[in-house]
Amino acid sequence: GQNIDQPTEMTATEGAIVQINCTYQTSGFNGLFWYQQHAGEAPTFLSYNVLDGLEEKGRFSSFLSRSKGYSYLLLKELQMKDSASYLCAVGTFNAGNMLTFGGGTRLMVKP
Amino acid sequence: DAGVTQSPTHLIKTRGQQVTLRCSPKSGHDTVSWYQQALGQGPQFIFQYYEEEERQRGNFPDRFSGHQFPNYSSELNVNALLLGDSALYLCASTLPRGTEAFFGQGTRLTVV
Repeated sequence: GQNIDQPTEMTATEGAIVQINCTYQTSGFNGLFWYQQHAGEAPTFLSYNVLDGLEEKGRFSSFLSRSKGYSYLLLKELQMKDSASYLCAVGTFNAGNMLTFGGGTRLMVKP
Repeated sequence: DAGVTQSPTHLIKTRGQQVTLRCSPKSGHDTVSWYQQALGQGPQFIFQYYEEEERQRGNFPDRFSGHQFPNYSSELNVNALLLGDSALYLCASTLPRGTEAFFGQGTRLTVV
């Protein structure tokens, strides 16, 4: 079966750092994706981890531990526009790339 | 590049009716996947099309069917609509052997 868990909601202050955790138990694994989704809009790609460790991309970083079934997304220097839902997804590429998503974490950034 | 485009953006249907949603993939992308996203939840994989055939399917009933055309565009059909089918339907496309999926804006389907 597929089970992906992430917190439902988080609140943080503008300029601060926030870490969104994701744990997964899936029957297959070929990579861990993070997407950002503003209300009423399409999910947009943030990061992809296939090997253990930290991937840094500007204000956003993502970490993966395959042995622990754990990932986190780190957002630095938070801005108001970062208020959105953040979706953790496991990719399986047995025959094409299928994404299994968690429920999403709704992040509210306050002044 | 127009990215992934979906039509219509919003749709209201009555229980028992049938609906067809359309998707044009990003230029150069040959694989199209469909996802259902209920309010406040993450997207759920419906199926994926490649070379005009269904390649993978999620846990959705046969009422959900699809098609891919030679130009890689795709349709999602849902028959005998139920109230629970109300959701945002997202289309995503990927490059050949690609990993990153690009999503369209979605079609908001409301069944009344």
